[in-house]
Amino acid sequence: NAGVTQTPKFQVLKTGQSMTLQCAQDMNHNSMYWYRQDPGMGLRLIYYSASEGTTDKGEVPNGYNVSRLNKREFSLRLESAAPSQTSVYFCASSERTGVHEQYFGPGTRLTVT
Amino acid sequence: QKEVEQNSGPLSVPEGAIASLNCTYSDRGSQSFFWYRQYSGKSPELIMSIYSNGDKEDGRFTAQLNKASQYVSLLIRDSQPSDSATYLCAVSLGGSYIPTFGRGTSLIVHP
Repeated sequence: NAGVTQTPKFQVLKTGQSMTLQCAQDMNHNSMYWYRQDPGMGLRLIYYSASEGTTDKGEVPNGYNVSRLNKREFSLRLESAAPSQTSVYFCASSERTGVHEQYFGPGTRLTVT
Repeated sequence: QKEVEQNSGPLSVPEGAIASLNCTYSDRGSQSFFWYRQYSGKSPELIMSIYSNGDKEDGRFTAQLNKASQYVSLLIRDSQPSDSATYLCAVSLGGSYIPTFGRGTSLIVHP
């Protein structure tokens, strides 16, 4: 099992460009999450999907959109990238609602210039 | 406003010593508590989960939970240089099924 995979690993964007970060899990988990991690700020929740077909905002959703494509895949889209979105992005999954143990992907390091 | 608090460190301990990492949280109704380890440039990795007051041991790791005092701690016995990492505390505040993460404590184990 690969667990949680993310693509790409690194990305450099210019201000105003758009891109989609991909995430997939092969653990048959129901819930999936997108976090960003900035120095000194810890992990902050952007969006989550409790189950296939549902998505909800987290702590810092502005500037992002998400799609739960199917049970395995959860993508994060930046429509018009800004330098403030320079960060490391982690996707995570958990077995089901109410089971809180999360498993993280390797991360995407995004730089917006 | 972060409601899960950790000392950012770094906490420096000699090899073989016990490292003690602490975390406090704001919501008395919290039910689920987690410790993650994150090596530099890597993703967080779950070490321990604890749900009941008291101690939970797993190898060299012991999680301690005191809900009345609203803190959870992680003890690492016989610390090794390979334990050098940032340790993240996560708490499901108020019964939320999505944990809130603290900012992490950097641990350095020196030979």
